[in-house]
Amino acid sequence: ETVMTQSPDTLSLSPGERATLSCRASQSVSSTYLAWYQRKPGQAPRLLIYGTSSRATGIPDRFSGSGSGTDFTLTISRLEPEDFAVYYCQQYGTSPYTFGQGTKLEIK
Amino acid sequence: QVQLQESGPGLVKPSETLSLTCNVSGGSISGSISNYYWNWIRQPPGKGLEWIGYIYKSVTTNYNPSLKSRVTMSVDTSRNQFSLKLNSVTAADTAVYYCARKGLGGSFDFWGQGTLVTVSS
Repeated sequence: ETVMTQSPDTLSLSPGERATLSCRASQSVSSTYLAWYQRKPGQAPRLLIYGTSSRATGIPDRFSGSGSGTDFTLTISRLEPEDFAVYYCQQYGTSPYTFGQGTKLEIK
Repeated sequence: QVQLQESGPGLVKPSETLSLTCNVSGGSISGSISNYYWNWIRQPPGKGLEWIGYIYKSVTTNYNPSLKSRVTMSVDTSRNQFSLKLNSVTAADTAVYYCARKGLGGSFDFWGQGTLVTVSS
């Protein structure tokens, strides 16, 4: 199975700053099959990015994704208060589909 | 807007069967049956997300090998629901269980809020 490893585990930043979250796969992942999700306490996880760099419906353009092969990045250009949450990457190209362990983005 | 909601017992005894249902609203499973995969994912306390498997067109399933021997999924199109059964549970199966739709592009575009299932006597 493809193991997804996210870094850092926790990222402490202030509103207005830029956030860079990393996701590394244990083997090459097609860029078509890499997604990012946001999860807030008590809420359903929300799809942010699919296909490495395509924003899901309704996702603000401050969220962007990039990468290829085994290294992928989610960037939030200017943090808003509502962006502080846990973020997960996922590969869905090879079964079993696998997720990273999550990066908690917290307010500094 | 599609909405998913998990339901089922919050407490299951060891060795018994965990049964959960995901109700789909704002759309029809039967109408979507040719296009979407219906998934279960779980997250044990303090651990990461684990994909359990999916059901597609009511008959095609794909289960995580780590759970395959204990998992059964089904769809009830008349009730707009799909279900998960996990047998012979242990404390290691204690987790928040999510249902999710795998969209046309392959990513999980709609999720339920999750339901906590505790395995304990």
